[in-house]
Amino acid sequence: AQSVAQPEDQVNVAEGNPLTVKCTYSVSGNPYLFWYVQYPNRGLQFLLKYITGDNLVKGSYGFEAEFNKSQTSFHLKKPSALVSDSALYFCAVRDTRGSTLGRLYFGRGTQLTVWP
Amino acid sequence: GAVVSQHPSWVICKSGTSVKIECRSLDFQATTMFWYRQFPKQSLMLMATSNEGSKATYEQGVEKDKFLINHASLTLSTLTVTSAHPEDSSFYICSASLDSYNEQFFGPGTRLTVL
Repeated sequence: AQSVAQPEDQVNVAEGNPLTVKCTYSVSGNPYLFWYVQYPNRGLQFLLKYITGDNLVKGSYGFEAEFNKSQTSFHLKKPSALVSDSALYFCAVRDTRGSTLGRLYFGRGTQLTVWP
Repeated sequence: GAVVSQHPSWVICKSGTSVKIECRSLDFQATTMFWYRQFPKQSLMLMATSNEGSKATYEQGVEKDKFLINHASLTLSTLTVTSAHPEDSSFYICSASLDSYNEQFFGPGTRLTVL
């Protein structure tokens, strides 16, 4: 079965510092991995995805993520955090076969707070 | 990018009434739509997957008679919460996809409060 784990409920960083939000995955087959961001009382916004190709994936708003097969990780990163990056971040993996093709499995979410 | 809308964005209703939530794909045809439920500061819980023109597939533990899903066209899916009770109060989010092979695009969510 597909699953992702986000080990941190909360990440706090100062504005201007680099940030990392962690995600590890467990999949059968090739991983299709995603990061989404959610602002209060809003739906999810797509940030980036890894399907195949370069291990470093660049996404929206200056975010990037590094796919590491040996460590089964897909950590979200940004070189310089902004206060406006404060939000809830979800890592997800997608089923790529079988009757549940296309289904997303979400991590529990990590609340990112960037202090001015 | 693909846009998905939900209506209403919030609704307050009395216990025992039914509430319908609409999910529309505005600029693409969505063969597959998903309905999620989210409790405060928690992850999304998939309730059901609907494919246009066929019956929805419900996740284990989700009552199909309580949460009625209709996906009658390629741009519209509806979720009806029947005989709503306070424990049904939650944030409901839909997503839409061209098909099972493509990524999901999420709606802005609907906040349901049952008094």
